[in-house]
Amino acid sequence: DQQVKQNSPSLSVQEGRISILNCDYTNSMFDYFLWYKKYPAEGPTFLISISSIKDKNEDGRFTVFLNKSAKHLSLHIVPSQPGDSAVYFCAAPGGGGADGLTFGKGTHLIIQP
Amino acid sequence: NAGVTQTPKFRVLKTGQSMTLLCAQDMNHEYMYWYRQDPGMGLRLIHYSVGEGTTAKGEVPDGYNVSRLKKQNFLLGLESAAPSQTSVYFCASSFRGISMEGDTQYFGPGTRLTVL
Repeated sequence: DQQVKQNSPSLSVQEGRISILNCDYTNSMFDYFLWYKKYPAEGPTFLISISSIKDKNEDGRFTVFLNKSAKHLSLHIVPSQPGDSAVYFCAAPGGGGADGLTFGKGTHLIIQP
Repeated sequence: NAGVTQTPKFRVLKTGQSMTLLCAQDMNHEYMYWYRQDPGMGLRLIHYSVGEGTTAKGEVPDGYNVSRLKKQNFLLGLESAAPSQTSVYFCASSFRGISMEGDTQYFGPGTRLTVL
């Protein structure tokens, strides 16, 4: 039972355009969400997060939107740059009673020149 | 400040062999975690620790043991390796449990383990 779902395994976007990565969740107890970025052969690095008391959080080129009624969040990157090519994971604390993070399967973002 | 480091970076084992993966962090974090990542999958929590001397099971604990004898170190052991344990293993740490804005986990670079 996947509690955090990223249904697009890959996404290709032209440099300079907007990248939109989507994430859905099923566990209503989730109240904090994080996005991680991962390059090949490296560990994930924290990108941005959002608490359930907000519907938007912005950090430079990155904005995360949260729609609690739809149990959906999205990460917007604008403008997209070549260095943004990576795998992006959506994650939430908890799920299964443990104190770790529950991750989606990730979306591989490819920025084309 | 090295952050989270993992030893070794790569390892090949034969079925039935044992090994220990070492994770070290220099951020004085209380919480430490072990995850595995398989192709096309997200990271899955194996075991975690909320402080020195404590351990707890995560989502996929079978076949693994852990120890947290020192605050800065978290060891993951495989007593009898199986091909199903072929994976990339990531260690992470955090100052406290992840529950509010500003909280995050810091990840090591990973250990790629192949069990033949």
